[in-house]
Amino acid sequence: GAVVSQHPSRVICKSGTSVKIECRSLDFQATTMFWYRQFPKKSLMLMATSNEGSKATYEQGVEKDKFLINHASLTLSTLTVTSAHPEDSSFYICSASGEETQYFGPGTRLLVL
Amino acid sequence: GESVGLHLPTLSVQEGDNSIINCAYSNSASDYFIWYKQESGKGPQFIIDIRSNMDKRQGQRVTVLLNKTVKHLSLQIAATQPGDSAVYFCAEKKNAGNMLTFGGGTRLMVKP
Repeated sequence: GAVVSQHPSRVICKSGTSVKIECRSLDFQATTMFWYRQFPKKSLMLMATSNEGSKATYEQGVEKDKFLINHASLTLSTLTVTSAHPEDSSFYICSASGEETQYFGPGTRLLVL
Repeated sequence: GESVGLHLPTLSVQEGDNSIINCAYSNSASDYFIWYKQESGKGPQFIIDIRSNMDKRQGQRVTVLLNKTVKHLSLQIAATQPGDSAVYFCAEKKNAGNMLTFGGGTRLMVKP
């Protein structure tokens, strides 16, 4: 149980385009989903917390207009990187939480050219 | 042994030996702790958790120890295998919500 999927697993896009990443909890309902960014050989950096049906809460320094988060259902959250630039290239990971434990997706590798 | 510097701390162990990965947490009010394993290019995988009202919890080949006096958490892996090679993160929950704060991570390398 507690399986979280992410799609796509890897994406390459041109600078200035937008990219959408989906996060799904496959076998449980997630009241809260989290989006993280991870740089090479570093720990996870929380970007935002989203609760189903409400606006996401962004961490300090994370631009909400650049990283759009939608959490339309208890099993799906999306992160859209708008007007992507090379510095947005990173490993993006979502997690889903029913109660306390967070279960992570496999991550999405984004490369902006 | 361990090395600390610009890179992740690394613990090298011989296959079959026991591994101990340590973590210091910051908030004495934290009431829930989790250990995650992250292999290269993948998302973190839940290993084991422990609540603050316990000082030890065992799973399959893994044991988590919690010392609240010194705010220290450790993960013990018995009979370490090559498949255990990964980065291990501890995480603490600081309040009534479900937001976690992650430690910096330790890379475990298992030598055959």
